[in-house]
Amino acid sequence: KQEVTQIPAALSVPEGENLVLNCSFTDSAIYNLQWFRQDPGKGLTSLLLIQSSQREQTSGRLNASLDKSSGRSTLYIAASQPGDSATYLCAVRPKNTDKLIFGTGTRLQVFP
Amino acid sequence: KAGVTQTPRYLIKTRGQQVTLSCSPISGHRSVSWYQQTPGQGLQFLFEYFSETQRNKGNFPGRFSGRQFSNSRSEMNVSTLELGDSALYLCASSRNRDFGNEQFFGPGTRLTVL
Repeated sequence: KQEVTQIPAALSVPEGENLVLNCSFTDSAIYNLQWFRQDPGKGLTSLLLIQSSQREQTSGRLNASLDKSSGRSTLYIAASQPGDSATYLCAVRPKNTDKLIFGTGTRLQVFP
Repeated sequence: KAGVTQTPRYLIKTRGQQVTLSCSPISGHRSVSWYQQTPGQGLQFLFEYFSETQRNKGNFPGRFSGRQFSNSRSEMNVSTLELGDSALYLCASSRNRDFGNEQFFGPGTRLTVL
């Protein structure tokens, strides 16, 4: 059974810091991994999608890497801003299934 | 291009009632999935529809049901509501059933059961 874990559960950093969020999964048989952002009480915003054959994806200040063999992904946020404050969720799409398996999220607070 | 839309955004119901939630996918997207989000259980998969057929169902009781229309819009229904059904219900759409597709989520419907 696929399980997804995110560490740390919460993170508070001053503005301008570079930071790394971690995601680990137990079964490497996945199609892809997706990172999302969720603001309080809101839906999920897709940040990056990494296919199983890819090693990383970049969008602006965000960079996500995937090491499928070790069951790990990291989301790197450069030069963090207060507007980055949100919960970040990773989700894997296991092979032969229609669903995403989500981690429990990392709650990020960036203070001025 | 408009994103995934969900209606209503907020609902308050009492135990025993039933509720219907609606989801309109991104134009051109034919696959719709539903998820329940609660503080205790996180995000859990409910079901997925494609071409008006349920393709997969999560581990939820039969009180949870859904359907998809020919225009790809989807509804989910919860009958005989229980307090534990209070949650944020999220709908996601993707272009087709290619498992590599990106999933796009709507803003959710916040259901409160009293």
